[in-house]
Amino acid sequence: DVKVTQSSRYLVKRTGEKVFLECVQDMDHENMFWYRQDPGLGLRLIYFSYDVKMKEKGDIPEGYSVSREKKERFSLILESASTNQTSMYLCASASGGVGGYGYTFGSGTRLTVV
Amino acid sequence: QQQVKQSPQSLIVQKGGISIINCAYENTAFDYFPWYQQFPGKGPALLIAIRPDVSEKKEGRFTISFNKSAKQFSLHIMDSQPGDSATYFCAASKAAGNKLTFGGGTRVLVKP
Repeated sequence: DVKVTQSSRYLVKRTGEKVFLECVQDMDHENMFWYRQDPGLGLRLIYFSYDVKMKEKGDIPEGYSVSREKKERFSLILESASTNQTSMYLCASASGGVGGYGYTFGSGTRLTVV
Repeated sequence: QQQVKQSPQSLIVQKGGISIINCAYENTAFDYFPWYQQFPGKGPALLIAIRPDVSEKKEGRFTISFNKSAKQFSLHIMDSQPGDSATYFCAASKAAGNKLTFGGGTRVLVKP
C-alpha cells in the first residue's frame, strides 16, 4: 500500500511565525497535492506538483508556498501564519499519466494559529 | 466558484437503509469521478470511482450512478451499517491522477 506520511498530527503556532508542513510518500508517485479542509467547505486545493521542482497554484494559494526538491517530499510553507490559516491540512499523492489511479491521502495535520 | 456541488450536507439513516448522496459538476472536461470516505482523525480514503463511459459501477454495497447529460452523479450505500458512519466526498478531475475538485462533503450517520 502507498503510504503518505505527514510529519505532525497537531501543531500550534503563533501569528507571524513561518510554518513548515512536511509530506513524504513512498511509492514513487509523480503527483503531489496540498489541500486544506474546513467544515462546510470540503477540501480546497492550495498547491500541487506534477514533477520535482515543479509547482502550480491551486484554488487558494495566497499566504502559502511549496517546495519539491525530491520526488518523494512535498513541503507546504506558511510564510507568516495568520489565524485564518487555522485548519486541517491534507497532503496527497497519485501516479500520473493516462489510466492513473486516485489519490492516497496522509492522515492530516491540524494546525492552530494563535 | 464551486465546480462540484454536493448534497445533502448531512444524512441520518437507519441500519439497513439506503444512503444516497448527490453531486453535480459544471466542467464538461472532467472525466474521472471518485468518492472518498473519511473517518474522524483520518485522511480521506478512495471508496469507488467511475469514468463517464459507464452509467453505473458497483462495489459491494456501494454504487455510483452517473448521468453524463445531466452532469450529475450519486453514491448509493445499500444496507447501511453503523460502520459506514463517516463523511463522504465526491470529486472530479480531468484524469485519475490529476488535481481533484471536491464537493463540500456529506456527514452520514447510520443509527443502529
